[in-house]
Amino acid sequence: AQKITQTQPGMFVQEKEAVTLDCTYDTSDPSYGLFWYKQPSSGEMIFLIYQGSYDQQNATEGRYSLNFQKARKSANLVISASQLGDSAMYFCAMREGPDGFKTIFGAGTRLFVKA
Amino acid sequence: DTEVTQTPKHLVMGMTNKKSLKCEQHMGHRAMYWYKQKAKKPPELMFVYSYEKLSINESVPSRFSPECPNSSLLNLHLHALQPEDSALYLCASSQFGQAKQETQYFGPGTRLLVL
Repeated sequence: AQKITQTQPGMFVQEKEAVTLDCTYDTSDPSYGLFWYKQPSSGEMIFLIYQGSYDQQNATEGRYSLNFQKARKSANLVISASQLGDSAMYFCAMREGPDGFKTIFGAGTRLFVKA
Repeated sequence: DTEVTQTPKHLVMGMTNKKSLKCEQHMGHRAMYWYKQKAKKPPELMFVYSYEKLSINESVPSRFSPECPNSSLLNLHLHALQPEDSALYLCASSQFGQAKQETQYFGPGTRLLVL
C-alpha cells in the first residue's frame, strides 16, 4: 500500500532564509507522481510543484525546488528566500499508476515564517 | 487558467436538511474529485468522476450523494448529515495523461457546519 510521511508537524524559518520540508513515500508501483501543495488558512489547496518517478532532473518552480532522491524514496520541498506569505500548511502527496486517480496526502507540515 | 470554483463558501445546515455543494471547472479536465478535510488533517478522497462516470467511491456513507451533470460540473448532495460531517469539502479536477498533466487543481472549498 502506498504511504506518505511528513515527520515535521511544524517548522520555523527566518524571513529571506531557505527551508526544507521533508517527505518520504512508499510505493511498489514504478510509475508515480509526487506533488506539493500549500494550504493557507483560507483553506484553498495551491499546487506548487510536481515530480514524476521517471524524471531525471529535480523539479523547480520559481522559489520552490524538489529534492528528489528516488533510492531513498524522499521528495523534500526546498523553499528559497522565505517570505511572510509562505506561512501556511504544506502537504506532500503521491499519485500512483499511469491512470490511477487515487492521491494520498501526508499529514502536513505547518511552516511559520518569522520577520 | 487553473480555476476551480465552489459554491457556497460556507454552509450551515441542520441534521434534517437537504443541501447541495457545487463545483465548476472550465479547464477541459475530464476527472473531478470530492475531498473531505477535517481541521488539522490532510484531505481524504471521497469520490472520483472520470468522463462523467463515478470511478471511485471510498465507502462514503449514503447521506453523501455525488452527481456529475456534465464534464464541467460536479455536485455533492447532502441529506441527513451528522455533526461529525462538519468539515471543509474540497473539489478538484485534473486532466488525463502522463506526468504533470495529472496535477489536481483545487477549488477554495466549502466550509460545512452541521448542527
